[in-house]
Amino acid sequence: AQSVTQPDIHITVSEGASLELRCNYSYGATPYLFWYVQSPGQGLQLLLKYFSGDTLVQGIKGFEAEFKRSQSSFNLRKPSVHWSDAAEYFCAVERGSTLGRLYFGRGTQLTVWP
Amino acid sequence: EAQVTQNPRYLITVTGKKLTVTCSQNMNHEYMSWYRQDPGLGLRQIYYSMNVEVTDKGDVPEGYKVSRKEKRNFPLILESPSPNQTSLYFCASSLIAKNIQYFGAGTRLSVL
Repeated sequence: AQSVTQPDIHITVSEGASLELRCNYSYGATPYLFWYVQSPGQGLQLLLKYFSGDTLVQGIKGFEAEFKRSQSSFNLRKPSVHWSDAAEYFCAVERGSTLGRLYFGRGTQLTVWP
Repeated sequence: EAQVTQNPRYLITVTGKKLTVTCSQNMNHEYMSWYRQDPGLGLRQIYYSMNVEVTDKGDVPEGYKVSRKEKRNFPLILESPSPNQTSLYFCASSLIAKNIQYFGAGTRLSVL
């Protein structure tokens, strides 16, 4: 069963528009949560992570994400998208019961129109 | 520079011809892992290792082998590759306590 769900396979936004990428997980306890970005032909780079504490976390490249326990969600946001943000974005979780293992969503491909 | 290095980056082979994809990290990480990435499926874990001589199956281990004889190296072995193993492969490493995984640049494998 899919444990990490990214419901949007592909999103297109105009440059300068705001962005929200959705991620939901299906574990009972709060896992560790991550967002990774993969630019074309590249490996994955960590954007941000949530372990505990403040539920709004800041990452690199102007991204932020908010953990909402009641919704089992960890959505990624950016107020103003740049053309260089076009990439594939992956949400991932680490469950406490399987420390060290990451479970990835299927990814959201972001296209940015000029 | 801290990095995870995979070789080769691109590989075309034929069914049944044994191959090894190497992975090396210079960050003294205990944890290393192999993933395969297929369109629409995201990344799926093949094998992982918590330390030297400690390896375990991930979600899609069939047809693959690994070894961890040294802390820095974690090769992925395909004893008898088949076309359904055509994929993009990533190696990653991390400190277990922090689990911020660092990824290699990927190996694109085609099995004909």
